[in-house]
Amino acid sequence: QQQVKQSPQSLIVQKGGISIINCAYENTAFDYFPWYQQFPGKGPALLIAIRPDVSEKKEGRFTISFNKSAKQFSLHIMDSQPGDSATYFCAASRNSGGSNYKLTFGKGTLLTVNP
Amino acid sequence: NAGVMQNPRHLVRRRGQEARLRCSPMKGHSHVYWYRQLPEEGLKFMVYLQKENIIDESGMPKERFSAEFPKEGPSILRIQQVVRGDSAAYFCASSHSRGFDTEAFFGQGTRLTVV
Repeated sequence: QQQVKQSPQSLIVQKGGISIINCAYENTAFDYFPWYQQFPGKGPALLIAIRPDVSEKKEGRFTISFNKSAKQFSLHIMDSQPGDSATYFCAASRNSGGSNYKLTFGKGTLLTVNP
Repeated sequence: NAGVMQNPRHLVRRRGQEARLRCSPMKGHSHVYWYRQLPEEGLKFMVYLQKENIIDESGMPKERFSAEFPKEGPSILRIQQVVRGDSAAYFCASSHSRGFDTEAFFGQGTRLTVV
């Protein structure tokens, strides 16, 4: 059972464009939603995260939009740059024993930003 | 301050051999998490350890896999009698406090190939 569904699988965007990646989850107990960026041969690095008490969070060119009723959240990358080319993973976690340590990841989106 | 160090970066084992993956957390971090990434898949939780204790091993296969985080030295993920299906990238992450929402960092991973 895939608890976090991510789309699209791959995405090609022109430099300066907006990249949008979507995720949907099933478990209403999830209360922490991070996005990770992974370059080839590297480990995932946290980009930005959100909790369900807010509908949007922005950090620089990266924005998370969160729709609790629809159980969906998305990552928007504004002014996309070739250096943003990487695999992006959404994840979700529910509080267990007072912390969020068991992340459920989506399958990833390979983003290519053409110059 | 070095990041999370994993070694080896690449490991090739023949079927039936043992694989030992090491993870040295960031300085001051006492919480370690192991995740496995199969090809074309997102990361999946395996085990959460705190110094000398296994907190949650619900993601570990019941047989052949074990993990430890001794008082001194790195955390070790051990896979006995490896099979082709064990081929994957294994990532560990560490944090100062419990949980990924307290700022956890992933290592670069160990890519295990079983031939």
